[in-house]
Amino acid sequence: AQSVTQLDSQVPVFEEAPVELRCNYSSSVSVYLFWYVQYPNQGLQLLLKYLSGSTLVESINGFEAEFNKSQTSFHLRKPSVHISDTAEYFCAVRLNTGFQKLVFGTGTRLLVSP
Amino acid sequence: EAQVTQNPRYLITVTGKKLTVTCSQNMNHEYMSWYRQDPGLGLRQIYYSMNVEVTDKGDVPEGYKVSRKEKRNFPLILESPSPNQTSLYFCASSSRQASSYNEQFFGPGTRLTVL
Repeated sequence: AQSVTQLDSQVPVFEEAPVELRCNYSSSVSVYLFWYVQYPNQGLQLLLKYLSGSTLVESINGFEAEFNKSQTSFHLRKPSVHISDTAEYFCAVRLNTGFQKLVFGTGTRLLVSP
Repeated sequence: EAQVTQNPRYLITVTGKKLTVTCSQNMNHEYMSWYRQDPGLGLRQIYYSMNVEVTDKGDVPEGYKVSRKEKRNFPLILESPSPNQTSLYFCASSSRQASSYNEQFFGPGTRLTVL
């Protein structure tokens, strides 16, 4: 069975500073990897995904994540955060088959201060 | 607009009073799923459905029921709610087309409090 570990429950950072949110996964078979974002009092939005091909994937708002198979990681990074990036971020995995269950990590709350 | 809707968005109830949280999608998706979100635990799958009349348990099904009589609807039923079911609930749906990846779309969430 797959599992996801997000080691940091909360990451405080100042505006315009870089940030990395860590995600490690465990699976005996190939998986798809995702980052979802949840802004305060809102639902989940897909931020970015890795399906295959280039191991570096990017979102439209400046986030990027790199799939590292040897380290079974999919860390999320942004070189300069904004106040508006304050949210909870969830890493998730799914088997790359027809079975569509998403397995989520416990989430990392990103707190951006001025 | 393609979307997943949930009702109600907020609900406060008392122990033992049966309730239903509705979920509806307008994208003709085959796959639908319910998750609950709890602090420090992330999202955990309660039940899922691969198609009409096909449902199965997820990781935390105890105390919940579901039905899938129509393709667009997937209600979550709590026959006798208890305080440990106080949580934020999300419904999600996705297609089961032949392509191997189908994005899951999430509803806005239902915040349930059981007193």
